[in-house]
Order: sequence, then C-alpha cells, then structure tokens
Amino acid sequence: DADVTQTPRNRITKTGKRIMLECSQTKGHDRMYWYRQDPGLGLRLIYYSFDVKDINKGEISDGYSVSRQAQAKFSLSLESAIPNQTALYFCATSDRTSGSSYEQYFGPGTRLTVT
Amino acid sequence: EDQVTQSPEALRLQEGESSSLNCSYTVSGLRGLFWYRQDPGKGPEFLFTLYSAGEEKEKERLKATLTKKESFLHITAPKPEDSATYLCAARASGTYKYIFGTGTRLKVLA
Repeated sequence: DADVTQTPRNRITKTGKRIMLECSQTKGHDRMYWYRQDPGLGLRLIYYSFDVKDINKGEISDGYSVSRQAQAKFSLSLESAIPNQTALYFCATSDRTSGSSYEQYFGPGTRLTVT
Repeated sequence: EDQVTQSPEALRLQEGESSSLNCSYTVSGLRGLFWYRQDPGKGPEFLFTLYSAGEEKEKERLKATLTKKESFLHITAPKPEDSATYLCAARASGTYKYIFGTGTRLKVLA
C-alpha cells in the first residue's frame, strides 16, 4: 500500500461548487503540505502543517482552506471553485525527527478540473 | 527573491548517451537542495538531498553534485526507463518553504 494516498484521483466540478481533497499518510510523519502544479510554473505551496494545531499559509493560499483532522490526515478545501483552480494537486509529508534530511514524500496527486 | 531555475526544459538522449541537468539557485542560506523524479500522472519521487558545496550523491546511473550556485544531475549511460521529469527544490534557512524549479523533461530513446 502507498504511504501517502489522495482522494479523489480525478475530479471535475463546476464553478462555484465546494470541493474537498483528502490526504492520508501511514509514514508517521508530523509535517504535511499541499501543493498545486501547473504547466510551466512548477510546484507551488498552498498550505503546510507541522502538527494538528499548527497550520500555516503558503504562497498561494487565497481561495483555499485546510483542516488537519489528525496527524495522518490533511484535507484541502476549495470553498467556491473557479476555473483557474484547475490544476494537479499534491499532498506531501516530511519528518521533523529525520534529522536534517527534510526530504518530502508525495502522494499520487489529484487532477482537478473546474468548468 | 529566492529562486530555482532548471535547464534545459527538455532533453532527448539516445540510450547510453550521458548528459547533465542543471539546477541554478539563489536562496538565502541553503538548508538543502533536493532532487526528485516525476513520472507522468504520478507524484514526485525523492532521489537525493545535498547540503553543502562539494557534496556528491549517487544512485544507480544518477549522480547529483552541488556548488554554491548550482546543482547538477549527471546521468551516465541512460536507459529508456530513465525517461521522466526531474525536479529540483531548495530549502532556505529560517523557512520551511521549498522552492521548486519547473523541471527538465528527459526522454531517452532506445
């Protein structure tokens, strides 16, 4: 089984709809992240969380919200989806206790299309 | 402004034709330079972390090196299964933000 899972894998929704993307991990990592990937722009950070009570905005948080329900679960919500939120969304984890490594482990992604 | 730039954007190699991918960075107090491999429709897969100039790491046909301004991913005698997009990312001191480049799309022809 994959260490970082994302649901759904693909989603098509209409402008103005609320949508939630979910991420779960079995790696036991404390840090979780949400990124979006657009062609030519690379991966951009939306939100990150160091534990259940510590959630921080990334560089492109407008229009998004998150919830860290447990150490292993981190959800991303689009309250009112708009077409320019069409992108590939990735969840990632990293481990504070790994020393100085800080490498991130990514889920398989959710392809979101807003029409 | 912290920035990571990768070149070339795309690279086509014949099987066995060695080459290098470049990752140039301007980051305040580098706390890690990361290389990832991304296959179509999948999430990035961690390859290497480098911390200081002069450091090198190897894995099979891949070797990553780091200077004070750039990192190289050297691919020796590549095979078609090495075809993927290779991403680099930098983490700056005093921040938990990772700055990603836009990647190099590598195609290795049999």
